Amino acid sequence: RKEVEQDPGPFNVPEGATVAFNCTYSNSASQSFFWYRQDCRKEPKLLMSVYSSGNEDGRFTAQLNRASQYISLLIRDSKLSDSATYLCVVNIRGSARQLTFGSGTQLTVLP
Amino acid sequence: DADVTQTPRNRITKTGKRIMLECSQTKGHDRMYWYRQDPGLGLQLIYYSFDVKDINKGEISDGYSVSRQAQAKFSLSLESAIPNQTALYFCATSNSPTGELFFGEGSRLTVL
Repeated sequence: RKEVEQDPGPFNVPEGATVAFNCTYSNSASQSFFWYRQDCRKEPKLLMSVYSSGNEDGRFTAQLNRASQYISLLIRDSKLSDSATYLCVVNIRGSARQLTFGSGTQLTVLP
Repeated sequence: DADVTQTPRNRITKTGKRIMLECSQTKGHDRMYWYRQDPGLGLQLIYYSFDVKDINKGEISDGYSVSRQAQAKFSLSLESAIPNQTALYFCATSNSPTGELFFGEGSRLTVL
């Protein structure tokens, strides 16, 4: 089983739609969680960290469910510019390897 | 100018050739990383370094070597390139174990 698993998609949604992605992690020692965004053929960039109580940044909401070992990303009022691949990233406590990346979920927002 | 710069950005080479990918950063971060990305796979860690005298293997270090020439410079070498090393390579930096990673723009390597 992969340490971090994501539905690869693609998710094709119309502009203005709400879309949600989940990411599951296998190691209960995971302590920090992030969503990165990667545009086609570009470098990944941090979208947002995920806090235990959940957090929001504009149209983006991230949540953590430690009991079920998953994190989620909700995008409201999708824009064409939201089209990208969203990478789930997990830091495992005590891991010298630092961060483990999921393979990403591809989102296309259609006009 | 980019804070994390990778050279070359694109390289086509032949099997058996030695290749070096270079990374330099102006962020002043001690931690530097080399990742590899293949289609449909997550980023895989090749090597990482927490300071100039510290080098650590990642998940997929076989066939690769690195050199940390200075705090700001971290290079990745393929001593004898093979076709399955064709991939997109990213250098990244950070200033803490759980902090944000800052990536270079990537080096696309094709081994024929």
